[in-house]
Amino acid sequence: SQKIEQNSEALNIQEGKTATLTCNYTNYSPAYLQWYRQDPGRGPVFLLLIRENEKEKRKERLKVTFDTTLKQSLFHITASQPADSATYLCALHTGGFKTIFGAGTRLFVKA
Amino acid sequence: NAGVTQTPKFQVLKTGQSMTLQCAQDMNHNSMYWYRQDPGMGLRLIYYSASEGTTDKGEVPNGYNVSRLNKREFSLRLESAAPSQTSVYFCASEGLAGGRGTDTQYFGPGTRLTVL
Repeated sequence: SQKIEQNSEALNIQEGKTATLTCNYTNYSPAYLQWYRQDPGRGPVFLLLIRENEKEKRKERLKVTFDTTLKQSLFHITASQPADSATYLCALHTGGFKTIFGAGTRLFVKA
Repeated sequence: NAGVTQTPKFQVLKTGQSMTLQCAQDMNHNSMYWYRQDPGMGLRLIYYSASEGTTDKGEVPNGYNVSRLNKREFSLRLESAAPSQTSVYFCASEGLAGGRGTDTQYFGPGTRLTVL
């Protein structure tokens, strides 16, 4: 069956450290992969997109890698801040009009 | 621009009651979506509309109907609510991410629905 897996447990890190979140998938061949941020009581907000032929994408303190052989994406937040605390969702665009979302990983950054 | 708006924000229904969730976007997007989000699960697609005048079933369409009223508006109707439909419902529209030929979704604030 087709699956997307993200760290089910919350990730707790100290302010200033790098947070690394994982997204693994099976039985998909996504055209591109996206990461969203979701704060409590709000809808997801788009952060970054990486295509299947790209290895890495950066935006300010954010970095995403995409390994289509391992079927894995890593999402890094460098110099993390308490304001980065949120749930981060991985999403695969598999073509057509359907995007498949992971359940998300909760990140807590302690001051 | 307001982006994607949803009404109501909260709703409590009794089993068997009906209601319509409203969604509107002002970004001139063709595609619109309805998802539900339950604890520990990813967003699950209920219905989507690729363009005005078309609608298609997603992963979990049973118990729901939709209407794409015009390009801006996409509504979700529960004809006879059940406790299993207690969830947070998100509407989204899809457009280009920075004009680079790839699409990303823009979400509304959600409707928190409880069915007793």
